[in-house]
Amino acid sequence: NAGVMQNPRHLVRRRGQEARLRCSPMKGHSHVYWYRQLPEEGLKFMVYLQKENIIDESGMPKERFSAEFPKEGPSILRIQQVVRGDSAAYFCASSPAGLEGYTFGSGTRLTVV
Amino acid sequence: SQKIEQNSEALNIQEGKTATLTCNYTNYSPAYLQWYRQDPGRGPVFLLLIRENEKEKRKERLKVTFDTTLKQSLFHITASQPADSATYLCALLPHASGGSYIPTFGRGTSLIVHP
Repeated sequence: NAGVMQNPRHLVRRRGQEARLRCSPMKGHSHVYWYRQLPEEGLKFMVYLQKENIIDESGMPKERFSAEFPKEGPSILRIQQVVRGDSAAYFCASSPAGLEGYTFGSGTRLTVV
Repeated sequence: SQKIEQNSEALNIQEGKTATLTCNYTNYSPAYLQWYRQDPGRGPVFLLLIRENEKEKRKERLKVTFDTTLKQSLFHITASQPADSATYLCALLPHASGGSYIPTFGRGTSLIVHP
């Protein structure tokens, strides 16, 4: 079991480009969470998904950001028309349901130049 | 608004001593509380979960307490080792809504264990 896989580990985009971040949850985990972490700040919740459904997107900016977790394949966090303020570490976590067993990936560090 | 407070100053201790980290919260009634460890450049690693009706939980050298009256959790590492040096995050979870639990994280406290 390889754990939660996120790719790429590092992503550099110019302002106005699109960023696509991928997250493959642990085998058997049907719940995926995306968080953003800025330097010296805590993890900020963005969106919670189950297969083919967005359960809670209360932490997601209304514009330019979207997420999906298709029936097949990884979960994708998509940021359109990136701006410098989008530069951060984006972490994905998965869980089997319930309270324990939350497993985080190593994150994608997005730099917007 | 909801607040989760962890000491922003690093905690420096000598190897072998007990490290105690604090997580305070306001305007929140969590049903569960989790503690995670995060190393630089890595994602958080889940350590322990404690429920609101549990006063204390132990796992090897780790001990967590949860006082819902004080709105505080303490995280202890006994016989600390330099390898315990990391940032420790607390996360609060509400009573489930439709079976969903979404952790809300504090900023974390950095622990440095000196040999």
